[in-house]
Amino acid sequence: QKEVEQNSGPLSVPEGAIASLNCTYSDRGSQSFFWYRQYSGKSPELIMFIYSNGDKEDGRFTAQLNKASQYVSLLIRDSQPSDSATYLCAVNIWRSNQFYFGTGTSLTVIP
Amino acid sequence: EPEVTQTPSHQVTQMGQEVILRCVPISNHLYFYWYRQILGQKVEFLVSFYNNEISEKSEIFDDQFSVERPDGSNFTLKIRSTKLEDSAMYFCASMGTSGGMETQYFGPGTRLLVL
Repeated sequence: QKEVEQNSGPLSVPEGAIASLNCTYSDRGSQSFFWYRQYSGKSPELIMFIYSNGDKEDGRFTAQLNKASQYVSLLIRDSQPSDSATYLCAVNIWRSNQFYFGTGTSLTVIP
Repeated sequence: EPEVTQTPSHQVTQMGQEVILRCVPISNHLYFYWYRQILGQKVEFLVSFYNNEISEKSEIFDDQFSVERPDGSNFTLKIRSTKLEDSAMYFCASMGTSGGMETQYFGPGTRLLVL
């Protein structure tokens, strides 16, 4: 069973703070990792992807990947109330055309 | 900006009836997917489709489900005999290359309610 685990939250941070979202995965064959944002009643919206160990930055977002620890995280700097949403972690397995999602972490940014 | 579209946005049906959910993937994408999300639960993979055939399918995707790409642009999910537990949001996604990496983009979803 390929599991993707996320802390369901809710995670609350004040506006302007850094929000840290974590995800662990069970399959060492996992190749690429995606972070999606999902507002209530809406479809997942891709924020960023990462496939190499280390950090990847895109604007206020930084994804961090540690394959040895089977851990991927998303940092949101200067959090805004509009960042309030559920954040989904998804993994794609090497040579598989299948994506596995975590249950998501609910983030609330308090003005 | 190109986007995945889905119709209808909402579908209400009686248990035992057949439904067809439609999707138009992004035009230059080659991989297509159906997912479902039961209210309050995680996004679950149903099936992936490549080169006009099923690439992979999950345990959820049993004989009541089928997919087609009937005309080179549409991508459909058929549920033959709906059950109450099929009530969910169904998302279509397509995958293409961005920044040298293949990435998925989701459609807005079809909310299916089985009565």
